[in-house]
Amino acid sequence: GAGVSQSPRYKVAKRGQDVALRCDPISGHVSLFWYQQALGQGPEFLTYFQNEAQLDKSGLPSDRFFAERPEGSVSTLKIQRTQQEDSAVYLCASSSSGLGPTDTQYFGPGTRLTVL
Amino acid sequence: DQQVKQNSPSLSVQEGRISILNCDYTNSMFDYFLWYKKYPAEGPTFLISISSIKDKNEDGRFTVFLNKSAKHLSLHIVPSQPGDSAVYFCAASAGGGNNDMRFGAGTRLTVKP
Repeated sequence: GAGVSQSPRYKVAKRGQDVALRCDPISGHVSLFWYQQALGQGPEFLTYFQNEAQLDKSGLPSDRFFAERPEGSVSTLKIQRTQQEDSAVYLCASSSSGLGPTDTQYFGPGTRLTVL
Repeated sequence: DQQVKQNSPSLSVQEGRISILNCDYTNSMFDYFLWYKKYPAEGPTFLISISSIKDKNEDGRFTVFLNKSAKHLSLHIVPSQPGDSAVYFCAASAGGGNNDMRFGAGTRLTVKP
């Protein structure tokens, strides 16, 4: 497909487990963003990549959260030792450059993480 | 720290009437504002945006109004259609780019036929 895809769509983890969430951006898109959306809230920025470079990780809530995009396309968000407060929908978005206000971010469907 | 607020969690409107969704912000550095629409089990999709140098932007049935002095923006949909039923998020960014957008909590719009 031509859009942003994310896998898995749903993930249930026991507290303390590590999880890895995958994002496939639109082909050729330079910028990639991760957001966390808690129930009843809007998306909250986690981190941003331009190609393989992680330019902003100010939104990552703790050092248990780690994101990578080693080849500048697919990205993985990893959460170590998951806690119940990590339960949320994790959204990935990509844009062609991400540098200008008119550069639209296209969102994937999200991964719903539930930590028991 | 809620820099973008959507105080109405839900709104119900009759088909054919106008829908008005409101958004307030606190950060005076925000200079670009966006509205996203979200259907269940899908990611948000971009709807319309406005730069702080404008006070109105129109795209078909959708118009966004910006009142900088009041730090308030609104989205007008006219006429409303049942297919417009979705959650609408207001977002804002600072510095001329959208690398770090702040979102409101969303307003669920229901358009009744």
